[in-house]
Amino acid sequence: QKEVEQDPGPLSVPEGAIVSLNCTYSNSAFQYFMWYRQYSRKGPELLMYTYSSGNKEDGRFTAQVDKSSKYISLFIRDSQPSDSATYLCAMSRSYIPTFGRGTSLIVHP
Amino acid sequence: SQTIHQWPATLVQPVGSPLSLECTVEGTSNPNLYWYRQAAGRGLQLLFYSVGIGQISSEVPQNLSASRPQDRQFILSSKKLLLSDSGFYLCAWDLMGQGLDLDTEAFFGQGTRLTVV
Repeated sequence: QKEVEQDPGPLSVPEGAIVSLNCTYSNSAFQYFMWYRQYSRKGPELLMYTYSSGNKEDGRFTAQVDKSSKYISLFIRDSQPSDSATYLCAMSRSYIPTFGRGTSLIVHP
Repeated sequence: SQTIHQWPATLVQPVGSPLSLECTVEGTSNPNLYWYRQAAGRGLQLLFYSVGIGQISSEVPQNLSASRPQDRQFILSSKKLLLSDSGFYLCAWDLMGQGLDLDTEAFFGQGTRLTVV
C-alpha cells in the first residue's frame, strides 16, 4: 500500500460545479497537509496548507483534514475553466513531504 | 521574499552525455532542498534531499547524483545519461522540521524538462 493514495482521474465537471478532490494516507504520523495545483509543464504551486485536523478556507477553496479517517479533501466552489489543472496532495511528519499522484481536473465551459 | 530558480527550463541531451541541473534559493537560510522527478501520471518521485551543506540523502538508487556546495545551491548531475533519465525534474525547498516557528510548505521551481535522445 502506498503511503498516499490519490485517484488520478481525469475528473471532468461543468463550469460552476463544486469539485471534491480527495486523498487517503496510511502514516498516522503525518501532521502537515498541503494541496498543490500544477498547470501543464509548470512546477506545482501551493494552494492550501493545514496543520493537523480541521478545515481551512481561502476564497473558493476549502481544505479538510480528518486524521481519524486518514482522509483529506480539497473543495473548489464555483469552479472555473482556469481551475483546470492537476491537483496534488502532499503530507509530511516534519520534512520530506510525500506526494499523491495528482488528480487531473477539467472544468469545461 | 523567498524565490527559487531552476535552470534550464528544457534540455535535450544524447545518451551517454553528462548532466548538470542547478537550483538556487534566495531570501532564506539553511533550507531543506529536494530534487524530484515527475513522470507522466506517476506523481512526484523524490530523488535526493539535503538538510545542510554537503549533506545529501538518496531515496532511489539510480544513474544520478546530487551535491550541495553552498547553503542555497543544489545541483543534480549525471556522468552518463540513459534514455530512462528523461522526465520533468523539479527542485524544491522548505524549512520544515527545523524546530523553528517557521515551518513552511515545499516551494517548487518551474522545473526542467529533460529529454534524452
